[in-house]
Amino acid sequence: EVQLVESGGGLVQPGRSMKLSCAASGFTFSNYGMAWVRQAPTKGLEWVATISYDGSSTYYRDSVKGRFTISRDNAKSTLYLQMNSLRSEDTATYYCTRESPFDYWGQGVMVTVSS
Amino acid sequence: DIQMTQSPASLSASLEEIVTITCQASQDIGNYLSWYQQKPGKSPQLLIHSATSLADGVPSRFSGSRSGTQYSLKINRLQVEDTGIYYCLQHYSAPRTFGGGTKLELK
Repeated sequence: EVQLVESGGGLVQPGRSMKLSCAASGFTFSNYGMAWVRQAPTKGLEWVATISYDGSSTYYRDSVKGRFTISRDNAKSTLYLQMNSLRSEDTATYYCTRESPFDYWGQGVMVTVSS
Repeated sequence: DIQMTQSPASLSASLEEIVTITCQASQDIGNYLSWYQQKPGKSPQLLIHSATSLADGVPSRFSGSRSGTQYSLKINRLQVEDTGIYYCLQHYSAPRTFGGGTKLELK
């Protein structure tokens, strides 16, 4: 059974950093691209970043470029999202999902950026 | 960036009714189009991939179609458990883009 389990969310002050993790199991992690998708409270889904199966290629939405870094450790079957210079508009539930298409999703982790 | 225009934004329908939701892509995305259902407090669930292929375990009353750059999700014989918010997604290119969502309620 495919499982994606996010961790690392919580409350953080504007301008600070936070790192999310997503532990994958039930499939060969190193064969798949992975992505982060977020959803602000009461809003729709918004793609954040994608990483290729081997980590050689990464893609970001414009609003997080230069602030967020997606990475992976295939030996640990874990996906990461390093978020720096956080803003209030980054407040959302962050989902880890398997590309492509986004066929499996984690349960999501809430990130609240507030002073 | 590719824009996905989803309609309607909300929809109220009766049990057993046929429901159709559409997404218009701003440019050619081939069959790189998926549909998702999201229930309150839950993660999105894949319904349709490759524009027309039913995901594993999804009831056959759901179907997807394509006409050029317009994509449709059809629900035959609406059931109570089909309420929720539906999203389309294009994964032809980055940035991936979702439609704005369609909130489906029972009348």
